[in-house]
Amino acid sequence: QVQLVESGGGVVQPGGSLRLSCAASGFTFSSYGMHWVRQAPGKGLEWVAFIRYDGSNKYYADSVKGRFTISRDNSKNTLYLQMNSLRAEDTAVYYCAKVTKTYRDDYWFDPWGQGTLVTVSS
Amino acid sequence: NFMLTQPHSVSESPGKTVTISCTRSSGSIASNYVQWYQQRPGSSPTTVIYEDNQRPSGVPDRFSGSIDSSSNSASLTISGLKTEDEADYYCQSYDSSNLSWVFGGGTKLTVL
Repeated sequence: QVQLVESGGGVVQPGGSLRLSCAASGFTFSSYGMHWVRQAPGKGLEWVAFIRYDGSNKYYADSVKGRFTISRDNSKNTLYLQMNSLRAEDTAVYYCAKVTKTYRDDYWFDPWGQGTLVTVSS
Repeated sequence: NFMLTQPHSVSESPGKTVTISCTRSSGSIASNYVQWYQQRPGSSPTTVIYEDNQRPSGVPDRFSGSIDSSSNSASLTISGLKTEDEADYYCQSYDSSNLSWVFGGGTKLTVL
């Protein structure tokens, strides 16, 4: 079955960096676009970034543009989120999610991973 | 950029029917499909409705979705409410003009 497992979360100081990973299994990873979505404590869902199935296009929310970089390694079935210049407001659970249709950007997300918590605090 | 606006919370009794709205701030609600995600406490979101009104396999037919162009909104209706339906529900759509994905603020459903 499709499985997405995030890792790499933790506590980091403001201005610091962190790299999240999302290990994918149970499907042909290289055929699907992937997203990062976050959820601040007690708050709603916020889309963060998207990468096309082949890595050729990447899109970001304005709130993270220029600070976060999404990437993927299709040979390792792994999605990444490099987060730099972290701020307190980046504190959230970060989920990776798979696009439901091959080679498409605009389809819905399913499934989602279990999430990894990033806490930005001094 | 458009926003999707949902009521902060709704409550209803078991066995009843509840409808959660999701209003698009600009552009037509029909321009891009609307999805609905359910998030139970401590869990990741799961899809209950996709492409405006389609149910994934395994989602009971008590869940239904629709869009209304006159109010520029989408709706999630849950009939025969069960206590297990108590969760946060989020609508979501794609902003093809800005190449971004938009979530509503979420609605907390209480079944009591």
